[in-house]
Amino acid sequence: NAGVTQTPKFRVLKTGQSMTLLCAQDMNHEYMYWYRQDPGMGLRLIHYSVGEGTTAKGEVPDGYNVSRLKKQNFLLGLESAAPSQTSVYFCASSRSDLRAGYTFGSGTRLTVV
Amino acid sequence: AQSVSQHNHHVILSEAASLELGCNYSYGGTVNLFWYVQYPGQHLQLLLKYFSGDPLVKGIKGFEAEFIKSKFSFNLRKPSVQWSDTAEYFCAVNARGGSYIPTFGRGTSLIVHP
Repeated sequence: NAGVTQTPKFRVLKTGQSMTLLCAQDMNHEYMYWYRQDPGMGLRLIHYSVGEGTTAKGEVPDGYNVSRLKKQNFLLGLESAAPSQTSVYFCASSRSDLRAGYTFGSGTRLTVV
Repeated sequence: AQSVSQHNHHVILSEAASLELGCNYSYGGTVNLFWYVQYPGQHLQLLLKYFSGDPLVKGIKGFEAEFIKSKFSFNLRKPSVQWSDTAEYFCAVNARGGSYIPTFGRGTSLIVHP
């Protein structure tokens, strides 16, 4: 029972480099989300998707792009990393009726130097 | 738009003490409410949720929460905490019938001393 799997778990980037974070869920959930977690800030929504081929901006979308080409995958891209993007990134998914709440992945700790 | 406020940012207790963490939300309509726990170095896990029915909700590990509609509150309680309850606790709300996007509070850090 994998649930939500995020890769990689850790990454160090230099300013200006690009990378993609992968989120995969095996629960056939319709909705997927990307959050960043910073000390004292709680969870802030970056982007989300309500279905294959659809994405939408969240609270803090600048500097990030996303794609959901397949229902089970939700990719988060950083085109030109900045130190302000140093954070822990969590992916989550849910059914459209939310009866099971939101299922989170184990997170990706990203450091931009 | 909904918002969530968790008043206690840091709570320190001794084992066997009782716990109550506050959560208030602002939204005029019907809501779904959640409490999540994040143990050190781990991801968020669902503790309990409220959708409808009995406003006193029981979750895992002896936690419970009470939805008081008139106070827009959903406080988390545990009669007797253990050292293993040391974690960060997040309250979340989403507007029923509207966006399925949850709004999370900023979290409460709980430290339980043995």
